[in-house]
Amino acid sequence: DTEVTQTPKHLVMGMTNKKSLKCEQHMGHRAMYWYKQKAKKPPELMFVYSYEKLSINESVPSRFSPECPNSSLLNLHLHALQPEDSALYLCASSPGQGSYEQYFGPGTRLTVT
Amino acid sequence: RKEVEQDPGPFNVPEGATVAFNCTYSNSASQSFFWYRQDCRKEPKLLMSVYSSGNEDGRFTAQLNRASQYISLLIRDSKLSDSATYLCVVNMWNQAGTALIFGKGTTLSVSS
Repeated sequence: DTEVTQTPKHLVMGMTNKKSLKCEQHMGHRAMYWYKQKAKKPPELMFVYSYEKLSINESVPSRFSPECPNSSLLNLHLHALQPEDSALYLCASSPGQGSYEQYFGPGTRLTVT
Repeated sequence: RKEVEQDPGPFNVPEGATVAFNCTYSNSASQSFFWYRQDCRKEPKLLMSVYSSGNEDGRFTAQLNRASQYISLLIRDSKLSDSATYLCVVNMWNQAGTALIFGKGTTLSVSS
């Protein structure tokens, strides 16, 4: 079964808060991703963990920091966010090894007040 | 030229209609191609991969023309449940490894 889980589903945080988003997959996929999606826009890639190697979209501000505790888990740590960071944050995974389709989790809807 | 371009629509069609979506991509080195479907306030879901030989899954047919850098999706006998945004997605290699590049999506509304 292709399933990526994300917690929490919804998060409201102030600009001085520190919070974390969590993502998990048990499909043995070797690559995991964080995307940000604003309303009526396509997903924008933020980070890639592929075979334990992190790659960063250089336009992503440092107030977002990813962490990959193991190959099944991917966290996104949030600190000192701005209201414009309010969006749907999507996690995805892909098998790797020549298979590039990605499977998305349900997302965390983040509101920064 | 944008990396992946789609007609945003909306496409408003009656039930039972046939509708076609088109997409072009700019990077001739792209290797993998997909159509995703996204419902309002939900995550994108993989609809189908697109192969050079063309492929069909029930009412859905996808075509790829590498020479023209063009991808299409045909939906036959539209259902109300087909109403969604359809995202054309292309896999490309960059310094991060492999990344999916999304088109802005085409909105389909099927009415009874």
